[in-house]
Order: sequence, then C-alpha cells, then structure tokens
Amino acid sequence: AQSVTQLDSHVSVSEGTPVLLRCNYSSSYSPSLFWYVQHPNKGLQLLLKYTSAATLVKGINGFEAEFKKSETSFHLTKPSAHMSDAAEYFCVVRGYSSASKIIFGSGTRLSIRP
Amino acid sequence: EPEVTQTPSHQVTQMGQEVILRCVPISNHLYFYWYRQILGQKVEFLVSFYNNEISEKSEIFDDQFSVERPDGSNFTLKIRSTKLEDSAMYFCASSGPSGGAHTGELFFGEGSRLTVL
Repeated sequence: AQSVTQLDSHVSVSEGTPVLLRCNYSSSYSPSLFWYVQHPNKGLQLLLKYTSAATLVKGINGFEAEFKKSETSFHLTKPSAHMSDAAEYFCVVRGYSSASKIIFGSGTRLSIRP
Repeated sequence: EPEVTQTPSHQVTQMGQEVILRCVPISNHLYFYWYRQILGQKVEFLVSFYNNEISEKSEIFDDQFSVERPDGSNFTLKIRSTKLEDSAMYFCASSGPSGGAHTGELFFGEGSRLTVL
C-alpha cells in the first residue's frame, strides 16, 4: 500500500525568495512520484515526475524535486518565487503494479507576498 | 498537444436526479480514471478503468456510481441518484499508451463541477 503526506497545508513566501513544499511518501514498491499544480478554477497540471531515473528531477516553471529514498521524501523547490506560482500543489504517489491507485496528498496552498 | 476534455464544465442538478459526466481521454491512452475533489478537500480516487472493465475502485465508488466507455472515445461517469454530498469537482484522467508502462503520469481534464441542490 502507498500513502503520501504533505507536511504543510499552507506556505507563504515573498516574491523572489525560495520555495520549499514538503512531501513524504510510503510505498511497498519502488514508487513513481509526481507533483501537480492546480490554479484556481483550473485542472491539474503536471509539474514534474520521478520514475526511478535521476533522483533530482527538473520540471516546468523552474521547479525541481529531489527523491530521497533514505528519507522517503520528495520535496518540491524553486529558487525564486513568482506571483504566478500562487496555487495549490499536490504530491502524488503511484506504486508499481498494473492497477495501482494513484494517491494524492492533501495539498499545499502556496501564497506569494509582493 | 493532446489533452483530456471534460463536459459539462459545470452542472447543477436536483437531489435524486441522474447525472452523466463525460470525458474524452487522450486517444492512444489505455488507462482511465475518475477522481473527485470536494470543495476545500483533497483529491480522492474513485475508479480506474482498463480493457473495458473496472480495474480498481475506492470505497466512495458505491452502487450509485458507474463508468462506461460506450464508443471507444468517450469515458463516462454516471451517478444514478445524486445526493447533496456528491457536490464536488470531478476530474477525469488518462495515462499510458502501452499496457506495460504503469509508471506514467496521469493527464487530467479541467474538471466538471457538480452542484447538487
């Protein structure tokens, strides 16, 4: 079975400062991990994914995440926040089986202060 | 760029009425999903569908829910008799152009907002 925990329900940063959104996972097998972003009244857009290749994954809009197996973490970072980054971010885990459920974290709302 | 499309974008219905939400997945994908997100809550898995049958479903997906792929392109979610608590955003997703690749990402539609009065 797999699960995912997003440690912060809300993160607020100033524009131009770094962003860190935390995610820890639990999975019986080698997981695939994803970060999705949801802007207000919009669908879910894939930011980046980890599927057992490089542990440091680069995504769109300057985001990246590092898979750390020893810490069971997959934190999302960005060096410099932009106002347009304000959104809800979901960490998602998918186990390696033919009919795995894809499990969403509870989400982290990112606010950007001018 | 191929995308998942959902209709309607918003539906208002009376409690007890049947609702059908429609989705057109990406054309070469083989796996299809429905998720829902009640306002202010997390995204919840409802059901996955492969090879014309349900492959997995959650506790939420009770006898009031059904899915169908009627014509090889559409993927529908039917709620037979809606309840107030069915009000949510329903997301369709698809993945995987090949049967062996289970690590791929899901491609989501923009959602159908269901309001039950």
